[in-house]
Amino acid sequence: AQSVTQLDSQVPVFEEAPVELRCNYSSSVSVYLFWYVQYPNQGLQLLLKYLSGSTLVESINGFEAEFNKSQTSFHLRKPSVHISDTAEYFCAVSAMDTGRRALTFGSGTRLQVQP
Amino acid sequence: DTGVSQDPRHKITKRGQNVTFRCDPISEHNRLYWYRQTLGQGPEFLTYFQNEAQLEKSRLLSDRFSAERPKGSFSTLEIQRTEQGDSAMYLCASSTTQNTEAFFGQGTRLTVV
Repeated sequence: AQSVTQLDSQVPVFEEAPVELRCNYSSSVSVYLFWYVQYPNQGLQLLLKYLSGSTLVESINGFEAEFNKSQTSFHLRKPSVHISDTAEYFCAVSAMDTGRRALTFGSGTRLQVQP
Repeated sequence: DTGVSQDPRHKITKRGQNVTFRCDPISEHNRLYWYRQTLGQGPEFLTYFQNEAQLEKSRLLSDRFSAERPKGSFSTLEIQRTEQGDSAMYLCASSTTQNTEAFFGQGTRLTVV
């Protein structure tokens, strides 16, 4: 079984400031790691994923996340946020060696970007 | 639009009524997932289909819930004798056997009054 902990339920930040959203996971098997973003009354959109290889992964809109196996973490960062980044962010894992690929999500972090 | 489609987007029902939601996955996606998301929480896995076979059900899926995927295309999720605790966003996602990524629909928001 897997579990995901997102340590911050809300993160207020000013526009153009850097931000880090924290994610830790627990699993008895190897996992794939994901960050999803959810805008109000919308479904989830994949932001980025770690499958294997380089531990630093990047999205097209400036977010990056680094997989740290020893700390079982997958923190999300952005060096300079925009108002449009205001949304709920979910960290998720799925077991690597099973077929089902169902996701286990954290409880989410609400990023509030203020002007 | 070739994304995952869910219908309806919103449903208000009285306690004790039955409701049914529909999900149309991305064409040729053989895997389909249902999740439930309550306010302030992340989505929780409910059930999973590969083609028409329901391969796994979460313990969250009580006997009032039933899901089907006839012919391995669209899926329906039915809730019988709804309770106020069923109020949530119901999300559908689809993927292929090869994909590690699931694509989500916009969800159906259920309010039980």
